[in-house]
Amino acid sequence: DAKTTQPPSMDCAEGRAANLPCNHSTISGNEYVYWYRQIHSQGPQYIIHGLKNNETNEMASLIITEDRKSSTLILPHATLRDTAVYYCIVRVGSTNAGKSTFGDGTTLTVKP
Amino acid sequence: DTGVSQDPRHKITKRGQNVTFRCDPISEHNRLYWYRQTLGQGPEFLTYFQNEAQLEKSRLLSDRFSAERPKGSFSTLEIQRTEQGDSAMYLCASSFSAQGSYEQYFGPGTRLTVT
Repeated sequence: DAKTTQPPSMDCAEGRAANLPCNHSTISGNEYVYWYRQIHSQGPQYIIHGLKNNETNEMASLIITEDRKSSTLILPHATLRDTAVYYCIVRVGSTNAGKSTFGDGTTLTVKP
Repeated sequence: DTGVSQDPRHKITKRGQNVTFRCDPISEHNRLYWYRQTLGQGPEFLTYFQNEAQLEKSRLLSDRFSAERPKGSFSTLEIQRTEQGDSAMYLCASSFSAQGSYEQYFGPGTRLTVT
């Protein structure tokens, strides 16, 4: 699985959009980008995934650059409950089979 | 749907003792994963089952570690002759192999402290 690079920490004001970047310059054509988050003392939680098109669900939006070497997770209106560690993962295929290789993630702190 | 459950939530043991953790996946899920997470780092993959078959094992899974899923439902992870370096959070995840199914659902983890 390709390696990802994320900033170690970011702050965001409550109610504003949080934009979390991820670099995956060695991504292969059959690898998808997945985002998970981990709130303190809980297991990771799936947020969203995509291949090359931008994706949106009830939690977030995922913007993938045309060359697929980087992506941005957008939380449109961050709340205090969004304070967590966010992990960007690349994994072969669009199914849940196989391992996920986590990096150290970005600690997002949403401030009042 | 009660989610993935893990037991115990916390375990303190002395170096050299054996410990066993249990994971109960979401009932219809046929895939089950074990990960280990140390403080300040992301989870590291240990092993993966589809039904009762263990399909992949990480090099992190030394011969002191063994995982089983005998009936394709719950799983156990045993660590023999524990070492202080085994202190970590052990996470279990499960998923269902169906078209369009892409989430891995994680449990709350078992925190192991080896003294």
